[in-house]
Amino acid sequence: QKEVEQDPGPLSVPEGAIVSLNCTYSNSAFQYFMWYRQYSRKGPELLMYTYSSGNKEDGRFTAQVDKSSKYISLFIRDSQPSDSATYLCASYNQGGKLIFGQGTELSVKP
Amino acid sequence: DAMVIQNPRYQVTQFGKPVTLSCSQTLNHNVMYWYQQKSSQAPKLLFHYYDKDFNNEADTPDNFQSRRPNTSFCFLDIRSPGLGDAAMYLCATSSPGLAGAYEQFFGPGTRLTVL
Repeated sequence: QKEVEQDPGPLSVPEGAIVSLNCTYSNSAFQYFMWYRQYSRKGPELLMYTYSSGNKEDGRFTAQVDKSSKYISLFIRDSQPSDSATYLCASYNQGGKLIFGQGTELSVKP
Repeated sequence: DAMVIQNPRYQVTQFGKPVTLSCSQTLNHNVMYWYQQKSSQAPKLLFHYYDKDFNNEADTPDNFQSRRPNTSFCFLDIRSPGLGDAAMYLCATSSPGLAGAYEQFFGPGTRLTVL
């Protein structure tokens, strides 16, 4: 079982839609949860991170962690074509190694 | 702007011909990482340096080596590239212990093609 699992998509939505991206993780010791965005042919860039359970909001983006179900979510409100990218969830394991999910490819159509 | 720079952005090599990828950073971070990312897959950590201390992942092939001559630069050497080594290679940096310490800053990547 992979430590972080993510549906690779692709996911295609119309402009303005609410997008929900999800991951599950297997290790209950994970504490820090990150979302990276990766545009085509570019390196990942950190979008948001949360510590332990709860929600964190930044503009149109909301990150949510449910530690009881080991579930990580990223919501994008009023999605824009510029949001088209691959979104990678990640968490640090106990050895300090950043474990990535496979990434979900998102396409927002005008 | 402080950043992570990778050169070249695209590298074509022949099967078995050694190749070196380079990474430099202006962030003055003490940790530097090399990841391999194949199409539609998660980045896979190959190794990292904590200052001058080299840390190799257990499943990183011996074909992959790294050098860090100073804080700013790190190199990835692939001694005998095989077709399976074609991938995007990502360099990243971090500075554990500071605020926002768990962010890794990534370079744009080098896309390696093996013919």
